[in-house]
Amino acid sequence: DAGITQSPRYKITETGRQVTLMCHQTWSHSYMFWYRQDLGHGLRLIYYSAAADITDKGEVPDGYVVSRSKTENFPLTLESATRSQTSVYFCASRVAGDSYEQYFGPGTRLTVT
Amino acid sequence: DQQVKQNSPSLSVQEGRISILNCDYTNSMFDYFLWYKKYPAEGPTFLISISSIKDKNEDGRFTVFLNKSAKHLSLHIVPSQPGDSAVYFCAASASTGRRALTFGSGTRLQVQP
Repeated sequence: DAGITQSPRYKITETGRQVTLMCHQTWSHSYMFWYRQDLGHGLRLIYYSAAADITDKGEVPDGYVVSRSKTENFPLTLESATRSQTSVYFCASRVAGDSYEQYFGPGTRLTVT
Repeated sequence: DQQVKQNSPSLSVQEGRISILNCDYTNSMFDYFLWYKKYPAEGPTFLISISSIKDKNEDGRFTVFLNKSAKHLSLHIVPSQPGDSAVYFCAASASTGRRALTFGSGTRLQVQP
């Protein structure tokens, strides 16, 4: 009955390393989203997915890669981490159709040194 | 260029009094608005929403007011309780396209016992 989970919850990595943040949801929601939260900016959309194998860029996609081979998983990869990618990352999902409401995971705090 | 603005980073009120959180938007295409509440180390949780065809929506102690001509909405919490202490995010969406949410930068509410 987990709903939407993210792993790891905390991650420290070095500049230039590749890191993948995982997101898993048990509701079979069609839509999934990745946001980053930074002080003064609120939550900004990185990428979203309307269904398996359908992804699209959000407001701040540079430096990130996503994939969605299964409906329930939506991993976010930082191919070569930079200090500016230090942030809290939230995954969210929602049903298809008329709904606007998104359900958020607990977040991953990523620090790039 | 922030399309959704929450100009008050913080607000402090006494328990039992009214809390009023404000939000302004600039994009005329936005026609659905949501408020999310966020506790530390947790993901945002949906609180209340309003469609542009309405000017008020009420759910228990929470009421959202929408002034379309002023592109302004507000969240009223009456009476405020210490458990309401959290960061509140305003979000907006357009019914056309992907229905992504655009968030404000948040307001930290502190309710003093």
